[in-house]
Amino acid sequence: AQSVTQLGSHVSVSEGALVLLRCNYSSSVPPYLFWYVQYPNQGLQLLLKYTSAATLVKGINGFEAEFKKSETSFHLTKPSAHMSDAAEYFCAVSEARGTGNQFYFGTGTSLTVIP
Amino acid sequence: NAGVTQTPKFQVLKTGQSMTLQCAQDMNHEYMSWYRQDPGMGLRLIHYSVGAGITDQGEVPNGYNVSRSTTEDFPLRLLSAAPSQTSVYFCASSPGTTEGETQYFGPGTRLLVL
Repeated sequence: AQSVTQLGSHVSVSEGALVLLRCNYSSSVPPYLFWYVQYPNQGLQLLLKYTSAATLVKGINGFEAEFKKSETSFHLTKPSAHMSDAAEYFCAVSEARGTGNQFYFGTGTSLTVIP
Repeated sequence: NAGVTQTPKFQVLKTGQSMTLQCAQDMNHEYMSWYRQDPGMGLRLIHYSVGAGITDQGEVPNGYNVSRSTTEDFPLRLLSAAPSQTSVYFCASSPGTTEGETQYFGPGTRLLVL
């Protein structure tokens, strides 16, 4: 089974600073990777996903992520943090298993943006 | 489209009680799934379905039952609730069962078992 590791359960950045949220995956084959965002008391919303078309993936709200096979990483970045970016972020990998397509989620990173 | 809807939003149960968490989607998606979210553990898959009449177990299926009689609905049943089932439950759906399909999530049901 696949696994995903998110380093740092809590990350704080100042408004306007770079956001970097780390995600490493375990996979022996090219994976399908996702970043989701969860705002307080809401469901998960897709930020972006990697499906092998391009290593640099652009998502919504100015976020992007780079797939690095040599490092088995898919870190999420945003050049300038906004207060509205404060949320929980989840990295996930998709794997075909049994009759379906199973997602494996990381444990999440809570992002705090300091004014 | 309403997307993925879940009811109720919040529920309190006593140990041993049963209940059904409802999930519906209006996007004609083949694939539906249930996750539970616990602090520090991310989301873990409970059960999933690849179409009406077809269900399978995920990572943490014990204590939960599912059925899928229609494409739209995928209820999750707790037959005898336990405090360990206190969690936030999310339903998700995706258009197909192909690896890499995006999953779309409902708003969640917060369950407290006393």
